[in-house]
Amino acid sequence: DADVTQTPRNRITKTGKRIMLECSQTKGHDRMYWYRQDPGLGLQLIYYSFDVKDINKGEISDGYSVSRQAQAKFSLSLESAIPNQTALYFCATSDSRQADEQYFGPGTRLTVT
Amino acid sequence: AQSVTQLGSHVSVSEGALVLLRCNYSSSVPPYLFWYVQYPNQGLQLLLKYTTGATLVKGINGFEAEFKKSETSFHLTKPSAHMSDAAEYFCAVVSGTYKYIFGTGTRLKVLA
Repeated sequence: DADVTQTPRNRITKTGKRIMLECSQTKGHDRMYWYRQDPGLGLQLIYYSFDVKDINKGEISDGYSVSRQAQAKFSLSLESAIPNQTALYFCATSDSRQADEQYFGPGTRLTVT
Repeated sequence: AQSVTQLGSHVSVSEGALVLLRCNYSSSVPPYLFWYVQYPNQGLQLLLKYTTGATLVKGINGFEAEFKKSETSFHLTKPSAHMSDAAEYFCAVVSGTYKYIFGTGTRLKVLA
């Protein structure tokens, strides 16, 4: 079984809809991250969480919110989706004791029409 | 401020030829440096990392990278390309508690 899972893997939604992307991990890591990937732009950090009670904005948090429901679960929400949020979204985890090497989920491809 | 620059968004090599993917960084404190690989429809996977110690780092699948502080570089190499190496490669730098900065990626194409 994969250590970091994301659901759904693909999603098409309409402008204005609320959507939630979910991430779960079995690695026992304390830190979790949400990134978006756009062609030619690399990965941009949306939000990160160092533990259940610690959530921080990344570079591009506008239009997004997150919830850390448990150490193993970190959800990303788009309250009112817009077309320029069409992208590939990745969840990642890391262990604060191990030089911040990150482990990535398989990604969610989101299309907003 | 930290930054990562990957020279060449697309690189093509012949099967069996040397692979060289370039990465330069800027950081005001000693960095940790990483190379990740992304195969189609998959997440990123760690190839290798430099934290401290030996500046030549060996990773998976025959890749290695050398940290050169004087050149602020961390180029990725492989002596002989294989068709299975075709993927997108990302360089990343971490300094401070969380700030993980990725380069824009280099797509490697291996020609038969």
